[in-house]
Amino acid sequence: QVQLQESGPGLVKPSETLSLTCTVSGGSISRYYWSWIRQPPGKGLEWIGYIFYSGSTNYNPSLKSRVTISLDTSKNQFSLKLTSVTAADTAVYYCAREASCGDDCYSFDYWGQGMLITVSS
Amino acid sequence: DIQMTQSPSSLSASVGDRVTITCRASQSISAYLNWYQQKPGKVPKPLIYAASNLQSGVPSRFSGSGSGTDFTLTITSLQPEDFATYYCQQSYSIPKTFGPGTKVDIK
Repeated sequence: QVQLQESGPGLVKPSETLSLTCTVSGGSISRYYWSWIRQPPGKGLEWIGYIFYSGSTNYNPSLKSRVTISLDTSKNQFSLKLTSVTAADTAVYYCAREASCGDDCYSFDYWGQGMLITVSS
Repeated sequence: DIQMTQSPSSLSASVGDRVTITCRASQSISAYLNWYQQKPGKVPKPLIYAASNLQSGVPSRFSGSGSGTDFTLTITSLQPEDFATYYCQQSYSIPKTFGPGTKVDIK
């Protein structure tokens, strides 16, 4: 059974960099897309971006200038960095696997438990 | 970006009711539409992929249909564990986008 687990500081100061790591267990990081998704308290879901096992990335244009997603295949981990954070970046951050459902179809089939990141001084 | 809308934003229903939630995309997304269920404080759970295919382990009272811009999620005979918020999500283009959610609560 594939499991994902987010880790990192739960409190980040305004203007600083949010850094999270997702550790994948029970399966290989190969052949899938690995995404970060966030959900502000009481609000909906926002896709941040993904990294493919080859290392190629794609980001939400609304966050692209501040986001970097990287991969460490030796540790079966991928990471998120979000720079210059503000209170608007306070949210539960999820890591998720995006798998092919055939013929250019993809869905998020495994999710981490989520981690609340608060931006506050 | 492809905008996703859902209606209604919330609904009240009773156990045993048939419930239908609509999701609309701002442009055609073929059948690249997924549905997720989220309970308060919990992780979104995949329900349906590619508009009409049930994820493994999802009860058959859930079904999805649609293509192009208009999609529906139907729950026949609502059960107590189905009270949750439901999100649609398009995987047709980047950025991946979610609908705002439909909250199903107890009447």
